Amino acid sequence: AQSVTQLDSQVPVFEEAPVELRCNYSSSVSVYLFWYVQYPNQGLQLLLKYLSGSTLVESINGFEAEFNKSQTSFHLRKPSVHISDTAEYFCAVRVRGAGNNRKLIWGLGTSLAVNP
Amino acid sequence: DVKVTQSSRYLVKRTGEKVFLECVQDMDHENMFWYRQDPGLGLRLIYFSYDVKMKEKGDIPEGYSVSREKKERFSLILESASTNQTSMYLCASSYTGTNYEQYFGPGTRLTVT
Repeated sequence: AQSVTQLDSQVPVFEEAPVELRCNYSSSVSVYLFWYVQYPNQGLQLLLKYLSGSTLVESINGFEAEFNKSQTSFHLRKPSVHISDTAEYFCAVRVRGAGNNRKLIWGLGTSLAVNP
Repeated sequence: DVKVTQSSRYLVKRTGEKVFLECVQDMDHENMFWYRQDPGLGLRLIYFSYDVKMKEKGDIPEGYSVSREKKERFSLILESASTNQTSMYLCASSYTGTNYEQYFGPGTRLTVT
């Protein structure tokens, strides 16, 4: 069975510092990979996704994630964070070619707190 | 822009009441999902639907039922609310063809007293 592990439940960081939120998955088959973000008192929204092609994917607000097949990881990084990046971040996977299985497998989330 | 709306942002109900949570999407998505979100437990799938009148159990369906009579609307029903159903409920929808991305509503924070 597939599973997703987000290695840190909370990550405190100072403004303008770099950050890495770690995500590892367990799957014997190929997967699609996602990062979602949840700002305070809001629903989730897609931050970025890896479906195929280049293993480095980027978001419009400066985040990037790299798919590492050998390490089964999809870590999220940003070189310089802002106060407005304070949010909950969720990693998710979907098995390729899963037919009617439309479900995403979710990590438990990482709470990023950016302090001034 | 895809829009997923939920009928209430905050709801307070008493133990034993029947509770309806409504979700509407405006992008003709085939798939709709209900999750609950609790601190330290992440998102847990309650039910999902891949077509009108079709439904499948998720990971924690006990105590819940769903209804999908129209493609745009997916309702979550708590037949007899209990205090352990106090939670944030999130609705999401997605296409089937490229159904990788799920679009979420703002959530309903339900308190059962």
